[in-house]
Amino acid sequence: EVQLLESGGDLVQPGGSLRLSCAASGFTFSSYVMNWVRQAPGKGLELVSAIDDSDGKTYYTDSVKGRFTISRDNSENTLYLQMNSLRAEDTAVYYCAKVLRGTSWYDALDVWGQGTTVTVSS
Amino acid sequence: DIVVTQSPDSLAVSLGERATINCKSSQSVLYNSNKKNYLAWYQQKPGQPPKLLIYWASTRESGVPDRFSGSGSGTDFTLTISSLQAEDVAVYYCQQYYSTPLTFGGGTKVEIK
Repeated sequence: EVQLLESGGDLVQPGGSLRLSCAASGFTFSSYVMNWVRQAPGKGLELVSAIDDSDGKTYYTDSVKGRFTISRDNSENTLYLQMNSLRAEDTAVYYCAKVLRGTSWYDALDVWGQGTTVTVSS
Repeated sequence: DIVVTQSPDSLAVSLGERATINCKSSQSVLYNSNKKNYLAWYQQKPGQPPKLLIYWASTRESGVPDRFSGSGSGTDFTLTISSLQAEDVAVYYCQQYYSTPLTFGGGTKVEIK
């Protein structure tokens, strides 16, 4: 069974840091572009960051550039999101999601984790 | 960035009746070389992650009931639930994947009348 399992969410003060992890199983992780999508309380979906399957090419939404870093360990089938200088507006459920076809950035997201909650508050 | 706009924000439909959700992109998401529309639909139930229903605007994901259908091309798209069931109560999102950043519509909440 294809699965994604996020962890690392927590309550953190403004300016703090967190590292989210997403453990993948049931598919060839190294062959897929992977994404982090967030959902603020009562709001819609926003693509935060994405990473290529092999060459490390990355994408960040403007509001997190310079603060968040996406990475992956294909040997451990794990996706990461290092979040620094956190702000109240980063409060959200963070989902990892894989693309449908594999190596294309331009693709639907067919498998999602259950999400991990990040709350930024003093 | 391509802006994706959904309408209505919410709708209430009787059990067994048709539900129709609209999605409009600010520019065409039809890729001329392969004639595919880079548009997906997702269903999100409370407390759950989104679930992919339809991709390429009209291709149902495996296991999705055939009462769900997608149509449209270019900039205007529709998700239709032909006969609403109680388990279809959810928020539905469309998403374009024609260009980065991939963007989602604001969502449409479907309830039972």
